[in-house]
Amino acid sequence: ETGVTQTPRHLVMGMTNKKSLKCEQHLGHNAMYWYKQSAKKPLELMFVYSLEERVENNSVPSRFSPECPNSSHLFLHLHTLQPEDSALYLCASSQGLAGELLMTNTGELFFGEGSRLTVL
Amino acid sequence: AQKITQTQPGMFVQEKEAVTLDCTYDTSDQSYGLFWYKQPSSGEMIFLIYQGSYDEQNATEGRYSLNFQKARKSANLVISASQLGDSAMYFCAIGSTLGRLYFGRGTQLTVWP
Repeated sequence: ETGVTQTPRHLVMGMTNKKSLKCEQHLGHNAMYWYKQSAKKPLELMFVYSLEERVENNSVPSRFSPECPNSSHLFLHLHTLQPEDSALYLCASSQGLAGELLMTNTGELFFGEGSRLTVL
Repeated sequence: AQKITQTQPGMFVQEKEAVTLDCTYDTSDQSYGLFWYKQPSSGEMIFLIYQGSYDEQNATEGRYSLNFQKARKSANLVISASQLGDSAMYFCAIGSTLGRLYFGRGTQLTVWP
């Protein structure tokens, strides 16, 4: 079992559907992140949660709604998505708190295997 | 602003040979970190190696080493003694604060027997 688990691994949805992506980390980390990986763009940071509080929202459309009920779980709620939202959504966690200056290699992020989303 | 450039979309190397994956960066921060991640076909991003901007020595982790040239703003990854299992996408990333990493477009490495 990997340290960061994402479900579902694959999701196909219509533009009018509502679905959620789930991420669970078993590492006792303090911060969790959502990244989007599109075919033609570099990995993009979407949301950052540190100690269950959202500390960053990188200009993400409101059709993406994150939720962090506790330090081990992170959700990404999806509604009325567009075909261009089709991508691999990666969840990550880190031991240190988001926003801390990088001074040692505790800046390592632990990623899940991603949820591949296709919007029809 | 921070930016990573990986100019090699694809690289090929024979098993047991060494390979260098290029990475250049741009940043206005005085202190920053450089990372390399590997992404196999399963999708998971796997941390390989880290170099702090203040480190004078190049980082090494097993078969991975980072050739850090600060003046040139380059942070190339060197993989020695390539293995078939090294075939994957490799991403270079930069960050100055924890979690906020900026990634390059990646290099697809193929190791052939």
